[in-house]
Amino acid sequence: NAGVTQTPKFRILKIGQSMTLQCTQDMNHNYMYWYRQDPGMGLKLIYYSVGAGITDKGEVPNGYNVSRSTTEDFPLRLELAAPSQTSVYFCASSYSGRNRWSNQPQHFGDGTRLSIL
Amino acid sequence: KQEVTQIPAALSVPEGENLVLNCSFTDSAIYNLQWFRQDPGKGLTSLLLIQSSQREQTSGRLNASLDKSSGRSTLYIAASQPGDSATYLCALPAGAQKLVFGQGTRLTINP
Repeated sequence: NAGVTQTPKFRILKIGQSMTLQCTQDMNHNYMYWYRQDPGMGLKLIYYSVGAGITDKGEVPNGYNVSRSTTEDFPLRLELAAPSQTSVYFCASSYSGRNRWSNQPQHFGDGTRLSIL
Repeated sequence: KQEVTQIPAALSVPEGENLVLNCSFTDSAIYNLQWFRQDPGKGLTSLLLIQSSQREQTSGRLNASLDKSSGRSTLYIAASQPGDSATYLCALPAGAQKLVFGQGTRLTINP
């Protein structure tokens, strides 16, 4: 009954360091997403994937990279951490079929709280 | 470009009251609309998803309505309880199930 699992839950980085935020889901969802949430703001989409081997940019992709080698995993990579990347990062997944009426709600992980100092 | 607005940003009501949260959107050509709940320090929990062909969805004390022509959705919470205190967000897909979120309404239910 795990759903979407994100690791780590908290992390502090120094400017210029790199790290990978991990996300895995066990619901066999084809779509996966990375969002960031800043204080007082809604969530903004960073990258998304419609299936293994396929990724695309969202609204705020600069400074991030993703890969989707398996259905289950969708890691987010920060190459050169900057203070502007201090945020809470959420991974989500959903099932979407060819028929738009088959689209299901997105399921979210508990988030990774990242501070860049 | 789809824009989603939630007003008010914060709401505080006494326990037991019925209340309505508002969500407005600019592009009425939508597939569905989703309401989420977010507790402090936690992720988002999906509450209700309304397909564009539906006018409302109900789950327990929650009822969500959708009026595409006016670009509005409301989340009605009946007989509010302190456990309903959370931030409520609405979101709409903008292609490939990419969700566009409102800023949320922070709800506090006072015992």
